[in-house]
Amino acid sequence: NAGVTQTPKFRVLKTGQSMTLLCAQDMNHEYMYWYRQDPGMGLRLIHYSVGEGTTAKGEVPDGYNVSRLKKQNFLLGLESAAPSQTSVYFCASRPLSSGSYEQYFGPGTRLTVT
Amino acid sequence: EDQVTQSPEALRLQEGESSSLNCSYTVSGLRGLFWYRQDPGKGPEFLFTLYSAGEEKEKERLKATLTKKESFLHITAPKPEDSATYLCAVHYNNNDMRFGAGTRLTVKP
Repeated sequence: NAGVTQTPKFRVLKTGQSMTLLCAQDMNHEYMYWYRQDPGMGLRLIHYSVGEGTTAKGEVPDGYNVSRLKKQNFLLGLESAAPSQTSVYFCASRPLSSGSYEQYFGPGTRLTVT
Repeated sequence: EDQVTQSPEALRLQEGESSSLNCSYTVSGLRGLFWYRQDPGKGPEFLFTLYSAGEEKEKERLKATLTKKESFLHITAPKPEDSATYLCAVHYNNNDMRFGAGTRLTVKP
């Protein structure tokens, strides 16, 4: 099992450019999450999904869109990147009914917007 | 406002010097409190889940405890390989999840 994988690992964008980050998990988990991590602020939830075809907003959703067309994939899109979106992005997943709520994280994507 | 606060921000210990990290929270409808370890350049790695006040969990040199308003991660006789950032997170209401900013632990040999 690869667990949770993220592509790309690094990316540099110019202001106004768009891009999509891909998260894939092979654990058949229902829940998937996108977080951003900034120095001194901890992880903040951007969007999450409770199953294929469903998405919901988290704590900091503005400027991002997501899609969950397949159960194993969760995409995070930036339509018009801004320097404030420079961050490390983490994807996570967890099963629906394991009785516990711990999430399994990917290795992260470091995004720089100039 | 729902908050999770970790202290201290950074902690430097000598090998073998035991200490504790604190995580205090102000949320309603707590479903679980989690501790994660994060190494530089990597994603968080799950350590413990605590569900109710009085609960304790142990793993090697780490022991996590929970009260109604805070959790402690006790590190007994730490080794240099315990150096990492330790994150606390709370799951509350239906799907709300909030992380603390973390405690960066350095253990010197």
